[in-house]
Amino acid sequence: KAGVTQTPRYLIKTRGQQVTLSCSPISGHRSVSWYQQTPGQGLQFLFEYFSETQRNKGNFPGRFSGRQFSNSRSEMNVSTLELGDSALYLCASSLSGQGSEQYFGPGTRLTVT
Amino acid sequence: GQSLEQPSEVTAVEGAIVQINCTYQTSGFYGLSWYQQHDGGAPTFLSYNALDGLEETGRFSSFLSRSDSYGYLLLQELQMKDSASYFCAVRGDTDKLIFGTGTRLQVFP
Repeated sequence: KAGVTQTPRYLIKTRGQQVTLSCSPISGHRSVSWYQQTPGQGLQFLFEYFSETQRNKGNFPGRFSGRQFSNSRSEMNVSTLELGDSALYLCASSLSGQGSEQYFGPGTRLTVT
Repeated sequence: GQSLEQPSEVTAVEGAIVQINCTYQTSGFYGLSWYQQHDGGAPTFLSYNALDGLEETGRFSSFLSRSDSYGYLLLQELQMKDSASYFCAVRGDTDKLIFGTGTRLQVFP
């Protein structure tokens, strides 16, 4: 069974730009969660989507948004990028949501200059 | 709010035993998970405790005490490949999985 895939793997953007990251979950998984990982901060929960609906949201500004498609693939968008948005963005899929084992993708390394 | 505390770094030698502690504060509690992440890699699931006690999976064991809001991950017969970051994660009544800041384990020969 193929694992979670994320594209692109690396991205360099300029302050003020916007970016879209993509995540394809494991086949059959309906839940996709997004996390931001920065040194010293661990993994910060962004949001979770389940069957195309946002089921939960972390404490991030409205510049961070996401969506999920009918095939469970998910996208995350960050608008008006700031230097502090530089991070590894991880998505994780699971069968039923935050209460079940999370399978992580390799992440997208975003650098904002 | 919800918070988790774990040591930032632990060192040990090959063949030794190491314990990584995690204390948590959450409103509601559904379970404590542990994830391993090698440098440049994705976090991978290690274990899950919903009830008090010890869960053993090969060289790794995880313990939970809900009354103390405390758990630990025990790694035995350490190998060089165990050098990685280890994260505890808790799901509370907000239904969000909250991760600790991670413990970096360095295993020396």
